[in-house]
Amino acid sequence: DAMVIQNPRYQVTQFGKPVTLSCSQTLNHNVMYWYQQKSSQAPKLLFHYYDKDFNNEADTPDNFQSRRPNTSFCFLDIRSPGLGDAAMYLCATSRDRGAGGYGYTFGSGTRLTVV
Amino acid sequence: AQSVTQLDSQVPVFEEAPVELRCNYSSSVSVYLFWYVQYPNQGLQLLLKYLSGSTLVESINGFEAEFNKSQTSFHLRKPSVHISDTAEYFCAVSGVSGGYNKLIFGAGTRLAVHP
Repeated sequence: DAMVIQNPRYQVTQFGKPVTLSCSQTLNHNVMYWYQQKSSQAPKLLFHYYDKDFNNEADTPDNFQSRRPNTSFCFLDIRSPGLGDAAMYLCATSRDRGAGGYGYTFGSGTRLTVV
Repeated sequence: AQSVTQLDSQVPVFEEAPVELRCNYSSSVSVYLFWYVQYPNQGLQLLLKYLSGSTLVESINGFEAEFNKSQTSFHLRKPSVHISDTAEYFCAVSGVSGGYNKLIFGAGTRLAVHP
């Protein structure tokens, strides 16, 4: 089945130690998104890639970066995780940026713990 | 800019009782509306969506939502809930902002079904 896969499901990292979260998709969608979801809150969009075009949300901290080496994969890099970065990180895809009616397909998420 | 308000953060209900989860949105343009469900430690799954046409949309597991343009609402209902419906429910609006489609979520409603 076509899907969005996030690895790992659970990640524990040390305060200040760089960490990378992975997302892959078999849907061949043009757009990939990264959301941050803290406990009991709505998912918050961090950035997205439209093909190779990177689009950062205005309030996304510089500590968060992303890479998309090809259509299938997208990575979220946190350069120096702080305790406030502990959250569920959700990857999503959509067919096109203008195709709002299709909605997004989400992965199962990676829960990041910072110790 | 679009925004979404979910009026209830938590809704406790007994099994087999009816339930309504309320959602209001604001937008100056035509929108697409969605309900997503999130089970514990899982990603978001699309429950149902309104794009156009009939204002009443249904999901395969008995949920339905009605688009009311005059009241800018998209409330989710189920006539008889099951224990397995216990989850977090997110209402979302999709609209073009900054030249691309963006999915904006409400803060979520936690549905707790008790035996």
